[in-house]
Amino acid sequence: TQLLEQSPQFLSIQEGENLTVYCNSSSVFSSLQWYRQEPGEGPVLLVTVVTGGEVKKLKRLTFQFGDARKDSSLHITAAQPGDTGLYLCAGEKTSYDKVIFGPGTSLSVIP
Amino acid sequence: ETGVTQTPRHLVMGMTNKKSLKCEQHLGHNAMYWYKQSAKKPLELMFVYNFKEQTENNSVPSRFSPECPNSSHLFLHLHTLQPEDSALYLCASSQVGGRETQYFGPGTRLLVL
Repeated sequence: TQLLEQSPQFLSIQEGENLTVYCNSSSVFSSLQWYRQEPGEGPVLLVTVVTGGEVKKLKRLTFQFGDARKDSSLHITAAQPGDTGLYLCAGEKTSYDKVIFGPGTSLSVIP
Repeated sequence: ETGVTQTPRHLVMGMTNKKSLKCEQHLGHNAMYWYKQSAKKPLELMFVYNFKEQTENNSVPSRFSPECPNSSHLFLHLHTLQPEDSALYLCASSQVGGRETQYFGPGTRLLVL
């Protein structure tokens, strides 16, 4: 059983569409991070959320941390081919724990 | 060079070979990490070093041997690997071990024949 679940596992959409991907757990996390990993590269941090209910925006990307700090979502508006990649969520249960990664959502945006 | 660099980017080795992966960070960080990324599996933390000292070994087989001569360099020595060890090996660094943002290198794609 994975501590962090991500859904969907794969997503293929047309340019201009909106999408939401999810990161879920039965455990409470002190913080969650979202990374994007492009083919042939390492993950790059997009955002960190730390407060239950927190919403952060990064251009067309909107991140939300669940009120109970057990889940998070990433919404992309008007997806572009440059958004293609593996989206990873990662979290730590307390500030003394190691970071745990989810399996990722592989997104493909077709021009 | 800026950020975190890894060499080689691709490596093919036989099960009897000995090879080493190199990671270098130019960010002034004092924590470094090795991760394994296999297809359809989450990133697996292998080793953590803080101020050159190993602080975590996540039950990694002894055929993987890390070395951290200073806070900027991290090596992963490989010997008698198995085909199931084929994966992307990622190095990361952070300011303080485990609680700060981790910056990843591009990875070494390893194929064990």
